[in-house]
Order: sequence, then structure tokens, then C-alpha cells
Amino acid sequence: ETGVTQTPRHLVMGMTNKKSLKCEQHLGHNAMYWYKQSAKKPLELMFVYSLEERVENNSVPSRFSPECPNSSHLFLHLHTLQPEDSALYLCASSQGVGDNYGYTFGSGTRLTVV
Amino acid sequence: QKEVEQNSGPLSVPEGAIASLNCTYSDRVSQSFFWYRQYSGKSPELIMSIYSNGDKEDGRFTAQLNKASQYVSLLIRDSQPSDSATYLCAVKIGGSYIPTFGRGTSLIVHP
Repeated sequence: ETGVTQTPRHLVMGMTNKKSLKCEQHLGHNAMYWYKQSAKKPLELMFVYSLEERVENNSVPSRFSPECPNSSHLFLHLHTLQPEDSALYLCASSQGVGDNYGYTFGSGTRLTVV
Repeated sequence: QKEVEQNSGPLSVPEGAIASLNCTYSDRVSQSFFWYRQYSGKSPELIMSIYSNGDKEDGRFTAQLNKASQYVSLLIRDSQPSDSATYLCAVKIGGSYIPTFGRGTSLIVHP
């Protein structure tokens, strides 16, 4: 595996379900990110991790809970979501927070909340 | 407020033409600028980054930065139908270490 891998690719969940999104990067990067992409809106930063430490939480509701057990893995735990949370969730990594090399994105998880 | 503005398009150009995509941003002290390409149903992919005023060329792509006027452009020479995608501009506005993304410009290259 190379690059940034996200699973699952698609997820349909009810508002009372609990699910988790997984991201794994094989690039040796030290920073990982969760972004939300909704139609007609810019990419919205959710969380930033640098060397497994959360460095930014961009006013995200508590129904989204991130976890970074090591510098290669990132999870987004979901519970009691709302229909407006339906979106494409993208994981990204970079060599370091604040570097100038840009991001490598995973393929994303298309989430539908019913 | 940190803002990155892009015309949503679509920008339609004929095959072989030059496509010009523009992006303006809100803070004069911004230092780092990125262009990403996103095909429909796919994730963004980094095309180019630029940090200094002037032009930076990479194959058919040229990024142009003008910090005084607060804009950054992406030129695509000899446009191909495979260039049809949404192009996202991202800027590290002010002293932020995290880039702010624009909404993207949809480009359609027709044969």
C-alpha cells in the first residue's frame, strides 16, 4: 500500500449508530488531518494531529471524536450524527504541520446519514 | 476574516487552448500558495505550490503569484479533455500554518 488509505469508501448510517472512519498513511509523514467536504462549500478543516498530538480542533461538534494512536493511523469516531453531517470526509497527511510541501489526500469516505 | 476566493465557473475552454484559473486572498502577509486538482468523485491532488512573486512552471502548468495584488493564478497550456476537473486554491493566510481552501473552479475542456 502506498499513499494515504481511507476505509470505508462509502458509509450509510442511522442517526443513532456509532461508526468509525479509518485513515492510514504510508509516507512517513508526521502530520495528519481530517477535512469535511460538502457540496458547493470549501474544504472545512476538522482536526489536526502532529506526532499523535492534537494541535487543532476547529470547533467541531462533540459527535465527531478523533483518535490518533500513532503517526501512521488516524480515526474519526462518529455517533448520533445528523443528516447535515452527510458529506465526503477526507484524511490528509503532510511531512509536518506548517511545512510547505502540501497535503496528500486519501480517497475519502462518502458518508450518508439517514 | 481569512478568505480565499475563486470563481466557481464552469470555465469552458477548447482543447489546445490556455486555461487561466484565478484566486484572490484576503491577507497581504500570506506566504504559501497551493493548487490542487480534484476530479469528480475523487480526492484533491496537489499540482503545484508557489511561495515567491513571479511565475513557476511545471510542464504544462504555470503558477503566477502577485502578492501586492493578492492573487495567484494557474495557467494550463495546451489544455486537454483530461484536465477537466475542479481546481482548488489553498493559501496559508497571514501567519496561519494551516491553508484555507477556496471553493474551487470547475474547468471543462471540450474537444
